[in-house]
Amino acid sequence: GENVEQHPSTLSVQEGDSAVIKCTYSDSASNYFPWYKQELGKRPQLIIDIRSNVGEKKDQRIAVTLNKTAKHFSLHITETQPEDSAVYFCAANRGEYGNKLVFGAGTILRVKS
Amino acid sequence: GAVVSQHPSRVICKSGTSVKIECRSLDFQATTMFWYRQFPKQSLMLMATSNEGSKATYEQGVEKDKFLINHASLTLSTLTVTSAHPEDSSFYICSARFWRSYNEQFFGPGTRLTVL
Repeated sequence: GENVEQHPSTLSVQEGDSAVIKCTYSDSASNYFPWYKQELGKRPQLIIDIRSNVGEKKDQRIAVTLNKTAKHFSLHITETQPEDSAVYFCAANRGEYGNKLVFGAGTILRVKS
Repeated sequence: GAVVSQHPSRVICKSGTSVKIECRSLDFQATTMFWYRQFPKQSLMLMATSNEGSKATYEQGVEKDKFLINHASLTLSTLTVTSAHPEDSSFYICSARFWRSYNEQFFGPGTRLTVL
């Protein structure tokens, strides 16, 4: 089955710097890769997603890149702000209909002001 | 749009009792609903997938007789934790998708279950 690995587990950056979180997946059939931000005790919030037919997607300060050959995808946050501090999860779809998600272990991002 | 609610948000119960958690899609009809469990400082683990009117599909290692799922309508799924024990204490989160949402899932706010 699908396995998603996420690195690093924790990441501290100075406000204004960039943050990069990387994930690898194992199932070549996966074609949907969302990224979620989760604050303590809250629901995961979708911040950006990418499908396998594109290599990069950007939304203001957030971008995701996908390398299907290498089976890895990355989240890039530029000009980080204290409110970006949270846990970030990557995920990849799997299953007979591709509608299930397998999540990475998560990255705790701390933005220091 | 695409709002999912959960009730209750928090529940504390005694060991041996059963607890029911409701998940509702408020402004769309959910073709599929998913139930996740999240232990402190861990990731979301899929427990089961349910479609309206059919039996839920449980992930490996999840006891279907302990975690009863009923997907009674296109907007409501319930998870019942039967004979709860302290090790069942966790954050339970549901999500839902609809036929035009591709693979995007919309998450509920979660239910914090504490079993004493």
